[in-house]
Amino acid sequence: DAMVIQNPRYQVTQFGKPVTLSCSQTLNHNVMYWYQQKSSQAPKLLFHYYDKDFNNEADTPDNFQSRRPNTSFCFLDIRSPGLGDAAMYLCATSRDGEVTDTQYFGPGTRLTVL
Amino acid sequence: GNSVTQMEGPVTLSEEAFLTINCTYTATGYPSLFWYVQYPGEGLQLLLKATKADDKGSNKGFEATYRKETTSFHLEKGSVQVSDSAVYFCALSHGSGNTGKLIFGQGTTLQVKP
Repeated sequence: DAMVIQNPRYQVTQFGKPVTLSCSQTLNHNVMYWYQQKSSQAPKLLFHYYDKDFNNEADTPDNFQSRRPNTSFCFLDIRSPGLGDAAMYLCATSRDGEVTDTQYFGPGTRLTVL
Repeated sequence: GNSVTQMEGPVTLSEEAFLTINCTYTATGYPSLFWYVQYPGEGLQLLLKATKADDKGSNKGFEATYRKETTSFHLEKGSVQVSDSAVYFCALSHGSGNTGKLIFGQGTTLQVKP
C-alpha cells in the first residue's frame, strides 16, 4: 500500500543535542509537509516543500530546518532542541498542494527532550 | 485571518447515540473543508472533505455539509460505536495554486461507552 512512513516512532534526545527525524513516501506526491503537534493541541505547520522549493512558515523558529534530497524523502532537523520542542512531529504529503487536495499523514514521531 | 473553531470536548456518548461535533470557520476566498480523525498514538487520517459550498462529504457513516451562509461544517453520525472513540479535527485549506495549507481547529475528543 502507498503510504507515508516516519522513523523513528519515538525519539529521545538531550537538551541542546541535534536530532533528525525522517519521513518517506511511496505516493510520489510533489508536496511534503512537517507539522508540530504539542499535547492536546492542533497540528501546526512548520514548513513544506513543493518539489525542491522550500516554504517556511513565518513563525517557525530558526532552530528548525528541513531537507528534501529527493521526491521520496524529507528530513526535519532540530539544531538545538529545547524542552519546549518536545512534541509529536507529523509528516504529510499531498499530490500538488492545491486547496482541494487531501493531505496524507504519517504516524508521527514523538520527541522527548531530557 | 483564517481560523477554525470546534466545540470543546470531551464528548462522551453511549453506543448507538447520535453524534454532532460543531465546526465553524473564518476564511477569505473559497477554502476546502476537512474532517480528520486521530486514534491514540497514531497520525491523522482523512475522514471526509468538501471542496465547495453545499457539498456533502461522507464516509463510514459520518457526514458533514459545507454551509457557506453559516460558515459551518458540522460533523454528524447517526449511531456511534466504541471504535469511533478518537480525536476529531476540523480543518480548512486555503491558498492559491499549489500553496494549499491546512489550518486545524483545536480538536474534539469523543469517548463512546458500551
